[in-house]
Amino acid sequence: DQQVKQNSPSLSVQEGRISILNCDYTNSMFDYFLWYKKYPAEGPTFLISISSIKDKNEDGRFTVFLNKSAKHLSLHIVPSQPGDSAVYFCAASGLYNFNKFYFGSGTKLNVKP
Amino acid sequence: DTAVSQTPKYLVTQMGNDKSIKCEQNLGHDTMYWYKQDSKKFLKIMFSYNNKELIINETVPNRFSPKSPDKAHLNLHINSLELGDSAVYFCASSLMTGQGANVLTFGAGSRLTVL
Repeated sequence: DQQVKQNSPSLSVQEGRISILNCDYTNSMFDYFLWYKKYPAEGPTFLISISSIKDKNEDGRFTVFLNKSAKHLSLHIVPSQPGDSAVYFCAASGLYNFNKFYFGSGTKLNVKP
Repeated sequence: DTAVSQTPKYLVTQMGNDKSIKCEQNLGHDTMYWYKQDSKKFLKIMFSYNNKELIINETVPNRFSPKSPDKAHLNLHINSLELGDSAVYFCASSLMTGQGANVLTFGAGSRLTVL
């Protein structure tokens, strides 16, 4: 029973355009969400996070949006660059067990030059 | 200066064998984890230790036994390996600062193949 889902296994975007990666969750107790980026043969690296008290968090080219009513978050990358090509995982944790992160299955982003 | 290092990176072994994966972090973190990435690519938590104390123990066969000799090390020992144990195992660490600030730092992963 996967509580965090990334329904798009892959996404292809032209360099300079916007990349939008989506993530859905089922557990209404989740209140902290993160995005990780993973290159082949490396571990995931932290990209950006958002707390449930916010609906948007921005860091340079990366913006995460949270829609609590829809239990949906998205990661926007603008403008996309070839170096952004990687697998992106979203993760969530709950207030009473904040060390336990639930991960999605990842979306492989390919940014074409 | 690798922050979270795992060894070995690749491990190929026969069914029924016993193997260990080691993990070390030099970040000064107090919490360490083992995650398993299965064939469907989900990262699933297996265990977590905080200052050498087991705090998360998911539904994992008891053939898997974690050991944390100190807060900088977390090893994973697997007995009687089965085909279904084939996966990539990731070690991670974090500083337990409370909700909304906890960020995992991952190692590069250890790919286990059971033949």
